[in-house]
Parts: sequence; C-alpha cells; structure tokens
Amino acid sequence: GQQLNQSPQSMFIQEGEDVSMNCTSSSIFNTWLWYKQDPGEGPVLLIALYKAGELTSNGRLTAQFGITRKDSFLNISASIPSDVGIYFCAGSQGTPLVFGKGTRLSVIA
Amino acid sequence: DGGITQSPKYLFRKEGQNVTLSCEQNLNHDAMYWYRQDPGQGLRLIYYSQIVNDFQKGDIAEGYSVSREKKESFPLTVTSAQKNPTAFYLCASSSIPGVNQPQHFGDGTRLSIL
Repeated sequence: GQQLNQSPQSMFIQEGEDVSMNCTSSSIFNTWLWYKQDPGEGPVLLIALYKAGELTSNGRLTAQFGITRKDSFLNISASIPSDVGIYFCAGSQGTPLVFGKGTRLSVIA
Repeated sequence: DGGITQSPKYLFRKEGQNVTLSCEQNLNHDAMYWYRQDPGQGLRLIYYSQIVNDFQKGDIAEGYSVSREKKESFPLTVTSAQKNPTAFYLCASSSIPGVNQPQHFGDGTRLSIL
C-alpha cells in the first residue's frame, strides 16, 4: 500500500523549545491529519487539513497542508512535558487513511 | 459520553487459538476500521467497513476476519492462521466513509501469545 515518509523518527528537546516535524508522500492527498498517541492509548486527532496551502492552529500546535498536496508539517511551539508522545501524520484521497510511522517526541525538563 | 470502546484491554492467546477483539461505537458513525500497530511500524490497516454487512480487506488482512452485523459493532477475529499476532490493535470509526472525514480511535487491545 501507499506509504508516508515522516521525519524525524525521534526528537529529544528541551522544555520551551519549538518542534517541527513533517510528512511527505509520492501521492497527492485531499486530506492531511495529525494525531498524537500517548503510551498504551489510541491516537487522538490534533489537527485536520482539507485544502492545499491551508494553515491551521490548535493552541501551541500549527499544521500546514503543502501546496503540492504531497506534504504537510506540524509545529509545536514552547514545548512542555505533556507534549511527550508519538505524533502521526495521515493522508487520505477519500479512501482509508495512510499513516506515517510516527515521530517520537521526548521533552527534557 | 460518545466514543469507541475496545475490549479487553489486554488479551492472551495460546498458539492455535482464535481470539475475538471487540469494538463498539456510539458515535453513529458509518465507517469502522481495524489497525495493527507494531513498534516503529506505524498503523497498518487490517479491514474496514463503510456500511453494515459490508467490509473490505486492508493491507494486512491475512489471518484476520471481521463481521459488521450492526452499525455500532465491528469485531475482529485473529485466527490461528495469523502467525505473528502479538501487537497492539486499534479500532477506529469515521462519520462519512470516503469523504476524508477524520477517524476517531479507541484505546486499543494489546494481544500477546502465551
């Protein structure tokens, strides 16, 4: 099946730093979604993007739907300890979502 | 509260046994999905259903079976044909299939082989 390339695979940052991660695809998507997963739990939706070029914020999180429709990025500003977790991107063309392999974020207080 | 309930949280299986994982949603969603998650592998689609009494194979359907007799329920059976069943299984649902609606997830079932 289709695959998304998500990077970086992992990040170790100091509390208060900003974070950036991205996803790229060889296919065009109509929707990009960003999820966060805490250990032992299911992913929780953070941001949904539906239009090329769209920039959407959710508190300290900001995500953008790339103009080419083949990429998306997620930024987290002023990280805090509860930002720790695995962040997944997902794309769709109206079919079931395709997920990236995740970015594992660790925050050092 | 509306949501997706997966049970049990932890499940142990002996080799050669079939086991069934439960997924129930009260969100009135039409579409439901099953994913398998292995460390470092992200989420891989096993089966999905867009309407009652209909379902489609995902990328890794071999060794699994599903049914969709009711809108709110989508159980997954891990059969003895699945040679490496140890994984974290996630169920999800979305309101309108095929229209890019976000999926909402349950809290998962962790399956282990004894």
